[in-house]
Parts: sequence; C-alpha cells; structure tokens
Amino acid sequence: GAVVSQHPSRVICKSGTSVKIECRSLDFQATTMFWYRQFPKKSLMLMATSNEGSKATYEQGVEKDKFLINHASLTLSTLTVTSAHPEDSSFYICSATRGGGLSNQPQHFGDGTRLSIL
Amino acid sequence: GENVEQHPSTLSVQEGDSAVIKCTYSDSASNYFPWYKQELGKRPQLIIDIRSNVGEKKDQRIAVTLNKTAKHFSLHITETQPEDSAVYFCAARGQGGKLIFGQGTELSVKP
Repeated sequence: GAVVSQHPSRVICKSGTSVKIECRSLDFQATTMFWYRQFPKKSLMLMATSNEGSKATYEQGVEKDKFLINHASLTLSTLTVTSAHPEDSSFYICSATRGGGLSNQPQHFGDGTRLSIL
Repeated sequence: GENVEQHPSTLSVQEGDSAVIKCTYSDSASNYFPWYKQELGKRPQLIIDIRSNVGEKKDQRIAVTLNKTAKHFSLHITETQPEDSAVYFCAARGQGGKLIFGQGTELSVKP
C-alpha cells in the first residue's frame, strides 16, 4: 500500500491563485522529502529538497519565492505555488525515504497533484 | 552537474521478446540506482534497484546490471507482456540523497 500520501490529486483554479499541496509520510518519519515537477511525456525534474525544521534546498533555476516549501513536522511537507499562472500548470510529485535522504532505502512517491491554471 | 542519460526514448517489442534500457550517469559518487515504472497519470513505482557494491540483481523477469567503472547501468525485461507497457525511468542517487532521473523510455509491448 501507499506509504506516502499526497493531497489534493487535482486542482483547477484561476490565474493568480495560490495553491498548497501536502505530502505526508504515513507510517514513518521523513526528515527529508523531495518535490518534483513533471511535464507531459517528460521526466521528473527535482525542484527542491525539503528538510524538516530548516529551509528547503532548491535546485538551480527554481524560484524559491514562487514555490514555497514548509516541512514543519516529521511527517508533513507542503509546497505552495504562489500566484500561480498557466505556465505553472504541471504534475507535481513528492517523495520520501524511510530513515532520511541519505539512508539506503528507496524513495516512495506520492500519487501526484495535477495542477491546471486557467 | 549531476546528469543521467537514458536510451532509447521509445522502444517497441513483440510480446515475449526482451527489452533493454540503458543509462549512464555522471556523478562517480552515486551509490544507488533505482528503476521506476510509470503508467499514465500515476505515480512512479519502484520495480528494481541496485546498489554500488553489486554488479547484477534479478527479480523474476526483471534484471539490472551495473558497471561502476563505465558509470553505466541497464534494465533487462525478459518475456515481455502487454502489461509491461509503460514509461520506465532510471535514476541515480547523488548528493544529499536526491535522485536524478533519466529522460524516460516509453516501452510498448505489442500482443
């Protein structure tokens, strides 16, 4: 069964709206979670590494003020797309690893959130 | 920076044939190499993984090989079935535990 839960699964909203996506580890503590973005028929692009209790680490080219990440507890990370515009429309997926990012365990993915900005 | 190259981008085989997907990575410190299968609109599902201290791993019809010297790893699917049709991604784990994904291979198994 799923070990990482992501919510909501689909969002359709108007341009200018801010959208919050939640990622939860269901039966383990995740000190590190990862956020990815995926365009149709493309690969997963790592956006940022979410660290519990500290600032997220963003990949080059990802706007930290646009994509706000909060990892306030060991089981929850949130991604907020601020003032979303049509070009932000995409499939956003989170992942988490038992034992933290450097552990020898595989990453488990959430079901993803399909964001459509009109 | 860290990079993973995956080939081919599309692969079409007849049911029962074998399929091979190849990846190369750039970060010599990478120590973990998973393969994911993703169906349309779904999450990536881990199908097999290999760690840097192993050269080959097999799980029923799926096998993965790793050549650390060449920084190359491959996925082998034998006796393919139509339900194997999906997009397959290789990945390499680098600094901080983050996964760098290959571009993906769209596998089509024709009955």
